[in-house]
Amino acid sequence: DTGVSQDPRHKITKRGQNVTFRCDPISEHNRLYWYRQTLGQGPEFLTYFQNEAQLEKSRLLSDRFSAERPKGSFSTLEIQRTEQGDSAMYLCASSLSPGGRNEQFFGPGTRLTVL
Amino acid sequence: AQSVTQLGSHVSVSEGALVLLRCNYSSSVPPYLFWYVQYPNQGLQLLLKYTTGATLVKGINGFEAEFKKSETSFHLTKPSAHMSDAAEYFCAVSGAGNNRKLIWGLGTSLAVNP
Repeated sequence: DTGVSQDPRHKITKRGQNVTFRCDPISEHNRLYWYRQTLGQGPEFLTYFQNEAQLEKSRLLSDRFSAERPKGSFSTLEIQRTEQGDSAMYLCASSLSPGGRNEQFFGPGTRLTVL
Repeated sequence: AQSVTQLGSHVSVSEGALVLLRCNYSSSVPPYLFWYVQYPNQGLQLLLKYTTGATLVKGINGFEAEFKKSETSFHLTKPSAHMSDAAEYFCAVSGAGNNRKLIWGLGTSLAVNP
């Protein structure tokens, strides 16, 4: 399977703990996006990378959130001191730019539950 | 700034009936427009997209959408609904600039009745 993969698929944690999610994009894609989706809502943009450079962060991304894409391949999203409000589906997408017409391919998501 | 409004959070149709899911957008730059489908416990799958050129775009599974600039709309249609079309549908917009983040509607849940 050469699609976008995310790990883990599910994460249950206690409030105050740190969690880290991983996203592996389609191999030739240079852009990588993180979105968050809560129940009954559309996805919300969090941040994106072009190669290894993080070019934009949403105001939704508080100081407790950090994302990296160290070698321009896979990316990690870390949430420190989790809060119940962080419970959501975290989606990763990748695209090819230029030339991809911004067609973003999504992974299956990581569902985070904070108790 | 960009935004998307999907009219109707829940739509119910009979099998074989026309499917019409409405999407209106706001964009200060020429938009790229997308429809994605999300089946239960699955990731988002692109149905179709409009970037430039022909305003009537055809996608997978018999869906199509028409970009109407004068109405700022990008409604999704399918002539005949199938039970397997039951899912959540999202409309999204992006610009053609450097950051092509997607701005999403709230989604429309489509139910297909036998």
